[in-house]
Amino acid sequence: EPEVTQTPSHQVTQMGQEVILRCVPISNHLYFYWYRQILGQKVEFLVSFYNNEISEKSEIFDDQFSVERPDGSNFTLKIRSTKLEDSAMYFCASRKTGGRGGYTFGSGTRLTVV
Amino acid sequence: AQTVTQSQPEMSVQEAETVTLSCTYDTSESDYYLFWYKQPPSRQMILVIRQEAYKQQNATENRFSVNFQKAAKSFSLKISDSQLGDAAMYFCAYLSYNNNDMRFGAGTRLTVKP
Repeated sequence: EPEVTQTPSHQVTQMGQEVILRCVPISNHLYFYWYRQILGQKVEFLVSFYNNEISEKSEIFDDQFSVERPDGSNFTLKIRSTKLEDSAMYFCASRKTGGRGGYTFGSGTRLTVV
Repeated sequence: AQTVTQSQPEMSVQEAETVTLSCTYDTSESDYYLFWYKQPPSRQMILVIRQEAYKQQNATENRFSVNFQKAAKSFSLKISDSQLGDAAMYFCAYLSYNNNDMRFGAGTRLTVKP
């Protein structure tokens, strides 16, 4: 079964550093998402991406964050100047056009900011 | 804004028994999707079951079924013949037809006792 692949599975970074989280969505999917889950809390929407641009973003997704689809296969989340409170699991998801029920999540990247 | 409420932070069930996890949501929309996701200790988000609001018939997937009460805005998950591998966090989620961000409940931690 097709999968959404996320790398790395775990990243440790120092406060103030920049990190890039990588995702490879399912190849025939056209909508891409990033979600965040702080330990012990609910999963929160960050951003959706379609047709090479952001289609929606939450209030969490401020200027510290950016997304990119640099090469037609990867979908990245960049976090600039990381803060301790950015420590969380970050999930990438994708879906087919017209398939609202067809969300597929990746296995997540655990980001630890120290 | 749509909200999803899971009123049971923790539930426990004996192996081979049946357990029901509760979920309610608040929306003014008539068309939407509802989901149950399972998150094992690996923290991957695994789709268990989904329901389209326009369908009156309750969705079923093997041992998993839902009781969808649209008027009451209730979407409970029933797990029959519980297995040790069912132990996980379970998240209820809502997805509007009109936007992209999936809203999650706070989760229910299910323990399965042998």
